[in-house]
Amino acid sequence: DAGVIQSPRHEVTEMGQEVTLRCKPISGHNSLFWYRQTMMRGLELLIYFNNNVPIDDSGMPEDRFSAKMPNASFSTLKIQPSEPRDSAVYFCASSFVPSGTDTQYFGPGTRLTVL
Amino acid sequence: GESVGLHLPTLSVQEGDNSIINCAYSNSASDYFIWYKQESGKGPQFIIDIRSNMDKRQGQRVTVLLNKTVKHLSLQIAATQPGDSAVYFCAEINAGNMLTFGGGTRLMVKP
Repeated sequence: DAGVIQSPRHEVTEMGQEVTLRCKPISGHNSLFWYRQTMMRGLELLIYFNNNVPIDDSGMPEDRFSAKMPNASFSTLKIQPSEPRDSAVYFCASSFVPSGTDTQYFGPGTRLTVL
Repeated sequence: GESVGLHLPTLSVQEGDNSIINCAYSNSASDYFIWYKQESGKGPQFIIDIRSNMDKRQGQRVTVLLNKTVKHLSLQIAATQPGDSAVYFCAEINAGNMLTFGGGTRLMVKP
């Protein structure tokens, strides 16, 4: 298995632009998680999906952030408009447990820089 | 690539020595704990997990100890190797069945 795949690996954009991050979970996994990692806050859970349905988005910082999972093999995290404080590494993780509580496998991350 | 903070507690050990990384968790109701390893420029990688009905679990060169009385986890790495250099995170399942990560400890292995 290729593991969790994320793209792009690096993204540099200007403030105000729309940014879309992509994730392909491990085949067969039914839970998908988006995290953000910064120096100041460490790893923060943004949103998680179970069977393509958003279960908890309480970690999404504000309305500029949105996430979708149109099918079991693809998810996007969109930031519109982007701001410099959104600069971070964004990780996608997936797991397979009915409750989504078991071991999560992480992708390599997308390093986002907003100028 | 950067992925972790500059102000993490750091443990520096000599190659071949044993390492012990500690973690305090906050929620006494947590019933599942995981240790992750994160190398520079990579995502966290699962190392070992433990359920709250256990106090010790062993893997290959790694052992996790759980003390529920004081809400403390530790990760022991035997015969530490240069490839073990990374940031190590403990994580707990909290209310709502979500993973909450600790702040991380940076392990540096001196050859």
